Amino acid sequence: DIQMTQSPSSLSASVGDRVTITCRASQSISNYLNWYQQKPGKAPNLLIYGASTLQSGVPSRFSGSGSGTDFTLTISSLQPEDFGTYYCQQSYSTPYSFGQGTNLEIK
Amino acid sequence: QVQLVESGGGVVQPGGSLRLSCAASGFSFSSYGMHWVRQAPGKGLEWVAFIRYDGSSKYYADSVKGRFTISRDNSKNTLYLQLNSLRPEDTALYYCVKGKTTTDSWGQGTLVTVSS
Repeated sequence: DIQMTQSPSSLSASVGDRVTITCRASQSISNYLNWYQQKPGKAPNLLIYGASTLQSGVPSRFSGSGSGTDFTLTISSLQPEDFGTYYCQQSYSTPYSFGQGTNLEIK
Repeated sequence: QVQLVESGGGVVQPGGSLRLSCAASGFSFSSYGMHWVRQAPGKGLEWVAFIRYDGSSKYYADSVKGRFTISRDNSKNTLYLQLNSLRPEDTALYYCVKGKTTTDSWGQGTLVTVSS
């Protein structure tokens, strides 16, 4: 089974900051990597699929990069509404494992 | 627009059973693979099961294999998850999710609580 490891597990940043979250797979997953944002009491929302393709309707300040085992989600200029928990997920092979999540707080 | 509405959750004793349903609308249900994903209270996301668009292949997490069964009825635009031999650690919000690799729509979830 493929293990997904996110870092950091939590972070606090200010409005306007550039924020980076990383996700590492225990083996190569090509570009089969999704990123989600989840706010309290809500279902997750797909931000990025295929490691770097922005889902329709997602602000362009979000971007994804990477392939193989190392991936990055970047928020170029943090906005107040970007708080929440971010998850990566590999869709390369079953079980389609998730990272443990990164809790993003706005200072 | 795409809608996924889960139902069937509730409180059940350990060893009991439940059947979850997910009613889909707003897209061609029979053309998409579907997942179940769960989230225990205060915890992260856990993938549970996937079924191909035509029901021909099914995949499960090791934690539920042999106890849970995913199925679908394309004539009714409905996805199912049969939960048997339930354990306290199965307590979670269960989400229905559209798509195989591009999982772009999630329902709001149905809560399963396993407790005596």
